[in-house]
Amino acid sequence: AQKITQTQPGMFVQEKEAVTLDCTYDTSDPSYGLFWYKQPSSGEMIFLIYQGSYDQQNATEGRYSLNFQKARKSANLVISASQLGDSAMYFCAMTLGGGGGNKLTFGTGTQLKVEL
Amino acid sequence: EAQVTQNPRYLITVTGKKLTVTCSQNMNHEYMSWYRQDPGLGLRQIYYSMNVEVTDKGDVPEGYKVSRKEKRNFPLILESPSPNQTSLYFCASSLSRGLGANVLTFGAGSRLTVL
Repeated sequence: AQKITQTQPGMFVQEKEAVTLDCTYDTSDPSYGLFWYKQPSSGEMIFLIYQGSYDQQNATEGRYSLNFQKARKSANLVISASQLGDSAMYFCAMTLGGGGGNKLTFGTGTQLKVEL
Repeated sequence: EAQVTQNPRYLITVTGKKLTVTCSQNMNHEYMSWYRQDPGLGLRQIYYSMNVEVTDKGDVPEGYKVSRKEKRNFPLILESPSPNQTSLYFCASSLSRGLGANVLTFGAGSRLTVL
């Protein structure tokens, strides 16, 4: 079984600053994928970034980067140069390889508020 | 446009009145799934389907049924809804090859209230 933990229910950041959203995971499977999704107040789920367990480099997508520390089982999302439009709920999620199918296990989310 | 379409988007119903939430995708995805989102609990998987006529339970299947008669459609059925099924429901789909390809595309969500 796999588990995702997001310990920050809410966070504030000033516009143009960088922010790190924490995510730790637990699995004994060596093959897994880690995802971050954004959910704005309108409710839709928007895929942000993906990291595979065998990927050697940290994933980056524009202003989003995933700080993957395998030994610590952490997959923190870093948003650089925050914008007002980044205010949203952010979910970390995991899927297993090797027959785990496509099931995503989600954390409980972090509500990010970007302030002027 | 590649998308997952859910209907209805909003529904208020009463206990015991059967309802169906439809889900359709136009990306020829093999994998489809239903999640429910509740405050403080994140998203939890209800049912999933790896392909036509292949469905299986997720983490919270009680009170729900699904079917997959066509590749594009994956309806969620609440035979006798109860107030604890009040939630925000998401349908999602993806390809089924390799970890990196398993990026789920989500529908816009269906907010269900059971009185």
